[in-house]
Amino acid sequence: KNQVEQSPQSLIILEGKNCTLQCNYTVSPFSNLRWYKQDTGRGPVSLTIMTFSENTKSNGRYTATLDADTKQSSLHITASQLSDSASYICVVSGKSNDYKLSFGAGTTVTVRA
Amino acid sequence: DAMVIQNPRYQVTQFGKPVTLSCSQTLNHNVMYWYQQKSSQAPKLLFHYYDKDFNNEADTPDNFQSRRPNTSFCFLDIRSPGLGDAAMYLCATSRPKGQGEDIQYFGAGTRLSVL
Repeated sequence: KNQVEQSPQSLIILEGKNCTLQCNYTVSPFSNLRWYKQDTGRGPVSLTIMTFSENTKSNGRYTATLDADTKQSSLHITASQLSDSASYICVVSGKSNDYKLSFGAGTTVTVRA
Repeated sequence: DAMVIQNPRYQVTQFGKPVTLSCSQTLNHNVMYWYQQKSSQAPKLLFHYYDKDFNNEADTPDNFQSRRPNTSFCFLDIRSPGLGDAAMYLCATSRPKGQGEDIQYFGAGTRLSVL
């Protein structure tokens, strides 16, 4: 069973609008949570990484939040641009020495003019 | 500047014909990973190296092998590619756990087609 669930699976928004992506996880014990952006046909690029004690982290127009008690995270995109069209993947790292990460299936965002 | 470089970007091979994908890094990271990603799916870890220490995932097919001759380079060898091996192959690097943020930096990937 996947330990990281993302919603929605896909969404379409108009350029300039905001959107929020959700990530719920069951990975325990928890080390950190990352959000990656993956353009079609490219490798994932890290947007944010948050540890247990961090509630929010921003990277330009991207803001991630983390509630470690409820095991939920969100990624908010402000004033979307056409270049934001991509898959956004939530990735959780456990505290063990295991280097295997738990990947969500991703949310595909399409920004239309 | 690209920090994790994969070559080639696109590779076409014939069914059963061995193929090698390469990855190099300028980050001097101890840990290197190979992932397989099929369309609309999350990346699946095949194996990783911590320096020369090779770690194979239990469900990685025997058809897949890897070599890491030095810190900078890592190779993925597919001995007898099947149609089911057509995918994007991603290389990534990171610091070891417990030595700062262990963010994985990914290469742009190699798209493998099997005819």
